[in-house]
Amino acid sequence: DAGVIQSPRHEVTEMGQEVTLRCKPISGHDYLFWYRQTMMRGLELLIYFNNNVPIDDSGMPEDRFSAKMPNASFSTLKIQPSEPRDSAVYFCASSLLLSYEQYFGPGTRLTVT
Amino acid sequence: GENVEQHPSTLSVQEGDSAVIKCTYSDSASNYFPWYKQELGKRPQLIIDIRSNVGEKKDQRIAVTLNKTAKHFSLHITETQPEDSAVYFCAASIVGGSNYKLTFGKGTLLTVNP
Repeated sequence: DAGVIQSPRHEVTEMGQEVTLRCKPISGHDYLFWYRQTMMRGLELLIYFNNNVPIDDSGMPEDRFSAKMPNASFSTLKIQPSEPRDSAVYFCASSLLLSYEQYFGPGTRLTVT
Repeated sequence: GENVEQHPSTLSVQEGDSAVIKCTYSDSASNYFPWYKQELGKRPQLIIDIRSNVGEKKDQRIAVTLNKTAKHFSLHITETQPEDSAVYFCAASIVGGSNYKLTFGKGTLLTVNP
């Protein structure tokens, strides 16, 4: 397996634009997580899915953020409209069980100017 | 929910010295404690983990200890090398719990000076 795949690896956009981040989890993993990492706040869990269903989105900062998982092999995190304070590295991770080892993707470095 | 505190936030050591990173957790039911290493610009990756039925686990130069009574666990790196420089995250969860996801600490930036 190629591991967790994320795209794009880098995204630079202007304030107000829509940004879509993509993730392909490891095949067979039932759980998918979206994290945001910044120097100030560390690694923050935004939302996680179980079998494509969003379970806990309490970490989503505000209504500008939305996430979907239309099938077991694909998830998106969308920010609309984007703001400079959204600049961060966004990681997707997947795991076999909720409480067990998580495998992280390479991350998407988002810069909003 | 679970709360994980990690100390120190930064740690600088000389090559060859030992490094210790400590974490405390709040939920006494937690029974799984992994450690992740994140090199600069890379993804976090699991380096070692321990279950609550074990007090210590070693893997070459890395060891983790667990004190269930005090609810704390530590990462020990001996004979540190420059390639050990990274951010280390501890985490805690309840294996088998349907509602208990991994909770991460804030991370420790370890710098090993040659």
